[in-house]
Amino acid sequence: RKEVEQDPGPFNVPEGATVAFNCTYSNSASQSFFWYRQDCRKEPKLLMSVYSSGNEDGRFTAQLNRASQYISLLIRDSKLSDSATYLCVVNTLKAAGNKLTFGGGTRVLVKP
Amino acid sequence: DTGVSQDPRHKITKRGQNVTFRCDPISEHNRLYWYRQTLGQGPEFLTYFQNEAQLEKSRLLSDRFSAERPKGSFSTLEIQRTEQGDSAMYLCASSFGQARTEAFFGQGTRLTVV
Repeated sequence: RKEVEQDPGPFNVPEGATVAFNCTYSNSASQSFFWYRQDCRKEPKLLMSVYSSGNEDGRFTAQLNRASQYISLLIRDSKLSDSATYLCVVNTLKAAGNKLTFGGGTRVLVKP
Repeated sequence: DTGVSQDPRHKITKRGQNVTFRCDPISEHNRLYWYRQTLGQGPEFLTYFQNEAQLEKSRLLSDRFSAERPKGSFSTLEIQRTEQGDSAMYLCASSFGQARTEAFFGQGTRLTVV
């Protein structure tokens, strides 16, 4: 089983609609969590950090469920420019120190 | 520009040749990561450093791959005797290395082995 798993999608979303997707992680020692956005052939860029019970940034809301070991990302009022791959990143304390592990990404396509 | 920089941006090499990539992290960051990404996949962990110490190397990596961070600043990733399966985007990221600190990525080096 992979340490961090995501539904690869694509999620086809009408413009203006809401879309949500999850990321599950297997290591209960994971300490912090992030959502990154990656556009085609570009580097990943931080979208949101997810701490404790979650947080909101404009149209984006991230939630953390430690009991079930997953985080979620919800995008409201989707824009065409939200089309991208969303990567879940988990920061886990290992013997050698904190290590960032990526999920495979969830592809979102927002259509007019 | 004070972000993470990688060089070169693109590299085309013949199978069997050696290649070396460079990453310059954000100057105050002590943690440096290397990842490999192929089309349609998420970044795959290769190795990471705390200052000049290499903390972990992925078991997926063969002995053809080696990375260094000699002075705890820039890092190099070398691939010896390249194979077509090595074709990918190689991403470098840096962070403060603390539990709640995000990593910042360079623009990557795209390797094509022909």
